[in-house]
Amino acid sequence: GEDVEQSLFLSVREGDSSVINCTYTDSSSTYLYWYKQEPGAGLQLLTYIFSNMDMKQDQRLTVLLNKKDKHLSLRIADTQTGDSAIYFCAESPGNTGKLIFGQGTTLQVKP
Amino acid sequence: GAVVSQHPSRVICKSGTSVKIECRSLDFQATTMFWYRQFPKQSLMLMATSNEGSKATYEQGVEKDKFLINHASLTLSTLTVTSAHPEDSSFYICSARDGGFPIQVSPLHFGNGTRLTVT
Repeated sequence: GEDVEQSLFLSVREGDSSVINCTYTDSSSTYLYWYKQEPGAGLQLLTYIFSNMDMKQDQRLTVLLNKKDKHLSLRIADTQTGDSAIYFCAESPGNTGKLIFGQGTTLQVKP
Repeated sequence: GAVVSQHPSRVICKSGTSVKIECRSLDFQATTMFWYRQFPKQSLMLMATSNEGSKATYEQGVEKDKFLINHASLTLSTLTVTSAHPEDSSFYICSARDGGFPIQVSPLHFGNGTRLTVT
């Protein structure tokens, strides 16, 4: 079946690194995604990783993919207060274009 | 970057009335649009997939007669909540896929959502 799991809450201090973890079940997803949602807003695509890669770095963001364990993580270096938001990982089963989202991880950044 | 405009951002309506939400792709042609519903502190639930010029495909458990979706052009999809009830109060978000890319490499672009409150 299609299922994506995330931890619900993470609190870090400004300047520290944040690591948000996600597990998924569908092995047919060609891409896996990370989205950010600020209060009252829609979703903003942060980054995505092709399923035959195990790492992708984009400025402060590093995505790690363990395809064997179906585990995805998002690391934010030098976390800032503006990074406080809900982060969703998502898979795209069968490459239909629709996304299955995890529950979202609320990231709280303390000054 | 690609922009998806969703309107209105907030709407309050009385029970029994209908509400229409619009989703427009502003600088690309959206051959496929998706409608999601988000409950407080929960993830997004896919309601339906709409392809331009054809009937929408609804997810299991979503009432197609209650949530009418129309995708009449490559830049506009609408969701109409008919005979709204308080339990329909939620945050509705649309997303659009740029038809200019293969499906595997075309990330979704999201609108900012519509907060619907039914009194």
